[in-house]
Amino acid sequence: GQSLEQPSEVTAVEGAIVQINCTYQTSGFYGLSWYQQHDGGAPTFLSYNGLDGLEETGRFSSFLSRSDSYGYLLLQELQMKDSASYFCAVRDILTGGGNKLTFGTGTQLKVEL
Amino acid sequence: DTGVSQNPRHKITKRGQNVTFRCDPISEHNRLYWYRQTLGQGPEFLTYFQNEAQLEKSRLLSDRFSAERPKGSFSTLEIQRTEQGDSAMYLCASSLADRDRGLFGANVLTFGAGSRLTVL
Repeated sequence: GQSLEQPSEVTAVEGAIVQINCTYQTSGFYGLSWYQQHDGGAPTFLSYNGLDGLEETGRFSSFLSRSDSYGYLLLQELQMKDSASYFCAVRDILTGGGNKLTFGTGTQLKVEL
Repeated sequence: DTGVSQNPRHKITKRGQNVTFRCDPISEHNRLYWYRQTLGQGPEFLTYFQNEAQLEKSRLLSDRFSAERPKGSFSTLEIQRTEQGDSAMYLCASSLADRDRGLFGANVLTFGAGSRLTVL
């Protein structure tokens, strides 16, 4: 099966940079995704890495190292509205047709003034 | 398109009753997923459909749970003889297939707002 580990909670101040790490174990890795979920809201897609390296989307960047089974989400110029839970998710091509995402337990980010 | 729509948004029921949730995906998406989320946890996969075919079911999905997607459009998730442990947020998501959007296809899920179930 798959397993993912990410910190349960991270606190940072407005305007700072924060990195949320994710390590995973899976047999048929086929991509790492990141989702954001505000309290009471639906998870929304942020970023995807299928290959090693950095992907940048505005203030958010995501990095993947397949050899280390590791990725991170980098949030720059933090804003209060970034306070939310962030989930990494892996797709395993060898499990059940390779069409489901397995989510981590999430990292709750608190942005303070 | 208004995104993924789920109803009801909230359902309170007594133990032993049956409940049904409905999901209307984004119209051009051919994949539809059901996930369950409890407080402080990430979404847990339950099942998914490609068009009208149910292609995978989690072992979390006991025989009290059944999902359908007639005609490959909307989907329903029914829970029979509800138990208190079924209390959770039931999330529906939809996506394109990989061939429709390269590798991004099935990695980009659009979630609905969820249906919160409380079993008393």
